[in-house]
Amino acid sequence: QAQLVQSGAEVKKPGASVNISCKASGYTFSSYYIHWVRQAPGQGLEWMGTISPTGDRTFYSQRLQGRVAVTRDTSTSTVYMELSSLTSEDTAVYYCGGERSGTTYFDYWGQGTLVTVSS
Amino acid sequence: QSALTQPASVSGSPGQSITISCTGTSSDVGGYNYVSWYQQYPDKAPKLMIYAVSNRPSGISDRFSGSKSGNTASLTISGLQAEDEADYYCNSFTSSSTYVFGNGTKVSVL
Repeated sequence: QAQLVQSGAEVKKPGASVNISCKASGYTFSSYYIHWVRQAPGQGLEWMGTISPTGDRTFYSQRLQGRVAVTRDTSTSTVYMELSSLTSEDTAVYYCGGERSGTTYFDYWGQGTLVTVSS
Repeated sequence: QSALTQPASVSGSPGQSITISCTGTSSDVGGYNYVSWYQQYPDKAPKLMIYAVSNRPSGISDRFSGSKSGNTASLTISGLQAEDEADYYCNSFTSSSTYVFGNGTKVSVL
């Protein structure tokens, strides 16, 4: 059973950074792009960025470019997303999603991680 | 990259059919057959319903179908059921090798 398991909820102060992990199991991790998607309270889904199966390519939303970084540790089948210079507008549930390489759709999802930014 | 445009809400009676539109540009929806649709219940992760415009993953009811014309993609739910009440989001690959979601549509079953 393919699964993506994310790290737990975080509370951060404005200006800080947050790092969320997404660990894969049950499928060939090396064949999947991992995407990050967030959802602010009561709002829609926002695509943030992705990393290639080998970790050599990343693509980011223009809106978050410069503040978001996605990395990958193939030895532990884990992907990390770091978001810096946090403001209250970054308060959201953050999801990781898996895309079998080249298919352009997300067929596996993590359970979501709530990040709260508050002074 | 602006969000794809979806109606805020669509409603229908049980057994009826409804269609949700998703309008983008030639740089995303119109330029590629890489539109997918996701269903989301409150406080749950999204679930893939349609991929590559009109394909259903294994296990998804054939009451769900997708199509595309020009810069607009559509999701049709036929034989509407109470369990279909949820939020629906379209997503498209873009010319920048990024992705963009629609702003979401709340489906209500009357």
